[in-house]
Amino acid sequence: AAGVIQSPRHLIKEKRETATLKCYPIPRHDTVYWYQQGPGQDPQFLISFYEKMQSDKGSIPDRFSAQQFSDYHSELNMSSLELGDSALYFCASSLGQLTYEQYFGPGTRLTVT
Amino acid sequence: AQKVTQAQTEISVVEKEDVTLDCVYETRDTTYYLFWYKQPPSGELVFLIRRNSFDEQNEISGRYSWNFQKSTSSFNFTITASQVVDSAVYFCALSEVSANQAGTALIFGKGTTLSVSS
Repeated sequence: AAGVIQSPRHLIKEKRETATLKCYPIPRHDTVYWYQQGPGQDPQFLISFYEKMQSDKGSIPDRFSAQQFSDYHSELNMSSLELGDSALYFCASSLGQLTYEQYFGPGTRLTVT
Repeated sequence: AQKVTQAQTEISVVEKEDVTLDCVYETRDTTYYLFWYKQPPSGELVFLIRRNSFDEQNEISGRYSWNFQKSTSSFNFTITASQVVDSAVYFCALSEVSANQAGTALIFGKGTTLSVSS
């Protein structure tokens, strides 16, 4: 079965640079979520989109922005990167209210040096 | 406010032992969903189970079983006859029901690291 695809899998950036993470949800899934997981931490919700509109917002820094496109893929844009942004970034998708089951992608490991 | 507590930070067992991972949640909603996810050393988050607040039936899937008790706000996870491949971080999570069609954010517990030795 098709899973959530995230690219790139690994990314190394320097402080103050920008990064763009991409997420391709499971086909037919209409909701995309972004989570950030720091080392040894639990995943923290950043933002979600339902049918290409922002649905919910969590602890996403103002330096970050995201959107969902017409083909339902989503991108997380991160600017002015800081050392503390080093983390595993997960994208998850679900079929909205019908199942509430969120299926996670493999994650993008971002390292900021 | 919603909260998930996994009081056990780390558990170590020997293969073939049974182990129970505890999860206690707090929510003011009457309708909500509870989840368990597994995060092996490779890092991905693997969905294990979802339970809605109206379904208190226990569930068994192979060596895995889940006990949901609304009276104690607990959703515990038992692995029977543990194996080395069960070594991972296990997260319990909670989500509320949204007013529209969209799913809602998962609130995770801090996770329990399970180490199974041979």
